[in-house]
Amino acid sequence: AQTVTQSQPEMSVQEAETVTLSCTYDTSESDYYLFWYKQPPSRQMILVIRQEAYKQQNATENRFSVNFQKAAKSFSLKISDSQLGDAAMYFCAFSDNTDKLIFGTGTRLQVFP
Amino acid sequence: GAVVSQHPSWVICKSGTSVKIECRSLDFQATTMFWYRQFPKQSLMLMATSNEGSKATYEQGVEKDKFLINHASLTLSTLTVTSAHPEDSSFYICSAISYGYTFGSGTRLTVV
Repeated sequence: AQTVTQSQPEMSVQEAETVTLSCTYDTSESDYYLFWYKQPPSRQMILVIRQEAYKQQNATENRFSVNFQKAAKSFSLKISDSQLGDAAMYFCAFSDNTDKLIFGTGTRLQVFP
Repeated sequence: GAVVSQHPSWVICKSGTSVKIECRSLDFQATTMFWYRQFPKQSLMLMATSNEGSKATYEQGVEKDKFLINHASLTLSTLTVTSAHPEDSSFYICSAISYGYTFGSGTRLTVV
């Protein structure tokens, strides 16, 4: 069974600084998708970034970028120029051809002014 | 963009009663919907996959008789928590696939 592991329950960053959230996963599949979702206090799930496993190039969305290491089954999220509005729970997630989305345990990000 | 509407946003019910949560895809047809449960400060746990016109597929450990899922149309899936008990109190979220995953806003269920 596929598993997603986030080893950092909490992280903090100073405003305007950079922070990296870690995620590892386990799968025997070669074709899959990886995601980072943000869940603010409203609890609405917001897609931050998505990566297709067959693409070697790391995905980037404005201040958010990933470091996808397929062989190591690692998928970290880098947030540059952190803003107060980035404070939230961040979940790493995995999906394969079953379309099921499996979430990691989450990392709570605090941003200090 | 795709929108999934989930109602109610919160509900309080008495122990032993049943509660229905609705999840509607507003501007697309959702052949498949997913139901998740989230305890405070924890992750989203997949409960079941809801398929239009067929029986839902439940994840291991999820009581299918307790959590009834119906997906009678391409735009509506419902989750009924039957004979609810305080331990069923949780946050329930649905999602559907439309050029990616679209999530409902969630339902906070409190059983007293």
